[in-house]
Amino acid sequence: QKEVEQNSGPLSVPEGAIASLNCTYSDRGSQSFFWYRQYSGKSPELIMSIYSNGDKEDGRFTAQLNKASQYVSLLIRDSQPSDSATYLCAVNRNTDKLIFGTGTRLQVFP
Amino acid sequence: DTGVSQNPRHKITKRGQNVTFRCDPISEHNRLYWYRQTLGQGPEFLTYFQNEAQLEKSRLLSDRFSAERPKGSFSTLEIQRTEQGDSAMYLCASSANRGDYGYTFGSGTRLTVV
Repeated sequence: QKEVEQNSGPLSVPEGAIASLNCTYSDRGSQSFFWYRQYSGKSPELIMSIYSNGDKEDGRFTAQLNKASQYVSLLIRDSQPSDSATYLCAVNRNTDKLIFGTGTRLQVFP
Repeated sequence: DTGVSQNPRHKITKRGQNVTFRCDPISEHNRLYWYRQTLGQGPEFLTYFQNEAQLEKSRLLSDRFSAERPKGSFSTLEIQRTEQGDSAMYLCASSANRGDYGYTFGSGTRLTVV
């Protein structure tokens, strides 16, 4: 079992729709959770962090964390073609390093 | 401060040659990380430094790989006797705190071994 699992996609949504990206993790001791966006050929960019159960909103992005079920999700409202990218889920187990999933490729079509 | 800087951006080398990459972290960040990413995969942890001390190395980091951060500022990652399987994007990241606050990546060095 991988430590951080994501569906590789692609997830295709029409412009203006809500994109829902999911991530599960295996270590119950995980403390911090992150979503990175990575455009093709570029490096990952941190877009959201979440540390406690519940929802955290930042503009069109909402991160959701459920530690009991060991999943993290990212919702993107009013999806735009410019949101088309790979979204990486990363988890920290109260150490110095992040463990990344393989990423979910999102395609937003006009 | 312009963020995390990596050089070169691209490197093409012949199999068996040695290569060295450089990373300059954000100046006030004391933690520096190296990751490797291949196509369709997420970044895989290689090693990290707190100041000049190398605190953890992944088993992915074979004997052909060595990393240094001699004065706690920039870091170098050297690959000796490169193999085609070393072809990947090598990412450097830095943080001011432990990883539980996330970190900032550089633009990466894309290595192609022919």
